Amino acid sequence: QVQLVASGGGVVQPGRSLRLSCVASGFTFSRYGIHWVRQAPGKGLEWVAVISYDGSDKYYADSVKGRFTVARDNSKNTLYLQMNSLGAEDTAVYYCARDRAVISHFYYYGMDVWGQGTTVTVSS
Amino acid sequence: DIQMTQSPSSVSASVGDKVTISCRASQGISSWLAWYQQRPGKAPVLLIYGASSLQSGVPSRFSGSGSGTVFTLTISSLQPEDFATYYCQQTNSFPLTFGGGTKVEIK
Repeated sequence: QVQLVASGGGVVQPGRSLRLSCVASGFTFSRYGIHWVRQAPGKGLEWVAVISYDGSDKYYADSVKGRFTVARDNSKNTLYLQMNSLGAEDTAVYYCARDRAVISHFYYYGMDVWGQGTTVTVSS
Repeated sequence: DIQMTQSPSSVSASVGDKVTISCRASQGISSWLAWYQQRPGKAPVLLIYGASSLQSGVPSRFSGSGSGTVFTLTISSLQPEDFATYYCQQTNSFPLTFGGGTKVEIK
């Protein structure tokens, strides 16, 4: 079935780095943009980043710009989020989510498939 | 950045009730608004996109309306599985932003 499986979360010290992965199955990964969305404990949803279906477009939230990098490998059906200079404010469940539009550089239609999330805890 | 404000932050209702949740954008976003449902410990689920289009597989008791800056999600007859938190999200421009959420609780 159509699914996204996120992994790579864990406990990391402030200032260190972590790389998250998201593996897709059940659909043609290379046709869809993919987002990262996070949720701090007990808080609401925060959009983090998106990468277009072909990797040519990348957009970031101001809170992570310059520290996080999104990338994809369409040959491996895998999305990545490289997170550097982590701080306590980055502690959250990180979800990868498929954009609803197919082969598009526009992101108007929401996120229709979500992974189960991977937990990142930044603590000394 | 476009700020999204939801109201109320929580609502208590009974099975069979009609529930309405509001979402206001700090500037016009045309019809580029999505609604999500999130149950505790689970990932969000897309309910509505384009302000009023029902996502495939979502029950017809859910409906969305609005354009510009004011939007509404309506649940016509609340079911037990609908007790959850609901988020609006503007998809008009980057950074994409979510509302603070509305928790629908059992009365």
